[in-house]
Amino acid sequence: DTEVTQTPKHLVMGMTNKKSLKCEQHMGHRAMYWYKQKAKKPPELMFVYSYEKLSINESVPSRFSPECPNSSLLNLHLHALQPEDSALYLCASSGTRNTIYFGEGSWLTVV
Amino acid sequence: GQNIDQPTEMTATEGAIVQINCTYQTSGFNGLFWYQQHAGEAPTFLSYNVLDGLEEKGRFSSFLSRSKGYSYLLLKELQMKDSASYLCAVRPEDSNYQLIWGAGTKLIIKP
Repeated sequence: DTEVTQTPKHLVMGMTNKKSLKCEQHMGHRAMYWYKQKAKKPPELMFVYSYEKLSINESVPSRFSPECPNSSLLNLHLHALQPEDSALYLCASSGTRNTIYFGEGSWLTVV
Repeated sequence: GQNIDQPTEMTATEGAIVQINCTYQTSGFNGLFWYQQHAGEAPTFLSYNVLDGLEEKGRFSSFLSRSKGYSYLLLKELQMKDSASYLCAVRPEDSNYQLIWGAGTKLIIKP
């Protein structure tokens, strides 16, 4: 069982909605990630937080807004998304060995 | 450029052995990871190699040759539940967080 938990598992939202994805890890890891994955493609890095500070932003559109309230929590705020943003959103964390462990993902559909 | 190659699809028989190859050309090397991803689920970590040689973990083994830019994942005593995509990923030398991903190998197990 994964120690990275994500909610909700499934989300359907309209293009004018504001919603958030939430992630929590219980492994004491200091780095947390958001990835996006489309069907039959590998995960695509969006953001990395290291010690609660944004370390990497892979030129993600501003309609995606990450937030790291503390070392165990990571949120992804969504606003004015497009249908092409529909995908599996994966939260992950890594510790001293830098092995990345993924949560179960949140399936997002934008209508 | 940075590139990781792995076969798109492989088929094997239940109870047999299969080897999934991965070749990489990256800007430096700081570790190679294998992940398993069942359809509709998140990737799960299988193995990590940073030094040359074989790492064994139950029915799964992973091999690395840094001089050849080559790795393989060996799955023994195949079970139907091993039907999944297997993703090879390399961490470049200049990053603690980013991974270069292969496109994944879809493994089909037949009875």
